[in-house]
Amino acid sequence: DAMVIQNPRYQVTQFGKPVTLSCSQTLNHNVMYWYQQKSSQAPKLLFHYYDKDFNNEADTPDNFQSRRPNTSFCFLDIRSPGLGDAAMYLCATSSRDRGSYEQYFGPGTRLTVT
Amino acid sequence: AQKVTQAQTEISVVEKEDVTLDCVYETRDTTYYLFWYKQPPSGELVFLIRRNSFDEQNEISGRYSWNFQKSTSSFNFTITASQVVDSAVYFCALSEVLTSGTYKYIFGTGTRLKVLA
Repeated sequence: DAMVIQNPRYQVTQFGKPVTLSCSQTLNHNVMYWYQQKSSQAPKLLFHYYDKDFNNEADTPDNFQSRRPNTSFCFLDIRSPGLGDAAMYLCATSSRDRGSYEQYFGPGTRLTVT
Repeated sequence: AQKVTQAQTEISVVEKEDVTLDCVYETRDTTYYLFWYKQPPSGELVFLIRRNSFDEQNEISGRYSWNFQKSTSSFNFTITASQVVDSAVYFCALSEVLTSGTYKYIFGTGTRLKVLA
């Protein structure tokens, strides 16, 4: 089945220690998104890629970076995690060119910062 | 400004009861899309429905039904004969076009539904 995969599902990192979360998709979608969802809150968009074009939300902290080496993979790098960065990180994809507006979400990576 | 309001933070019902989850939105766009997603305890957001702003027909899918009323900017979701497996957080979302030519979701704060056996 075509899907969005996130690894790892659970990640524990230390305060200030860089961490990378990964997302892969078999849907061949040209748009990939990263959302941050804190406990009992709505998902909040951090940034997205439309093909190779990176688009940052205005309020996304500089501490968060992303890479998309190819269509299938996208990475979220947190350079110096703080306690406030503990959250669920959701990757999503969509196909801009097919006129479909649904976003397909992965299972998420739950990040704990100690 | 684009905004989605889900006023019900948490709802508890007994199994087999019907339940309606409310969603009210604000948008400056004439063309937009509305969505409902289910988020079970596992965390994954599961797509339930998409509705575009030009289609006000109500939709039914099994025990799920959706009522879209443009006049009141509402897109409510009803579960008939609720089951324990329906327990989850439900998010309503509104599309917002981005300068990149794609779009993002504006999510409501979600409604936690607890269905008790």
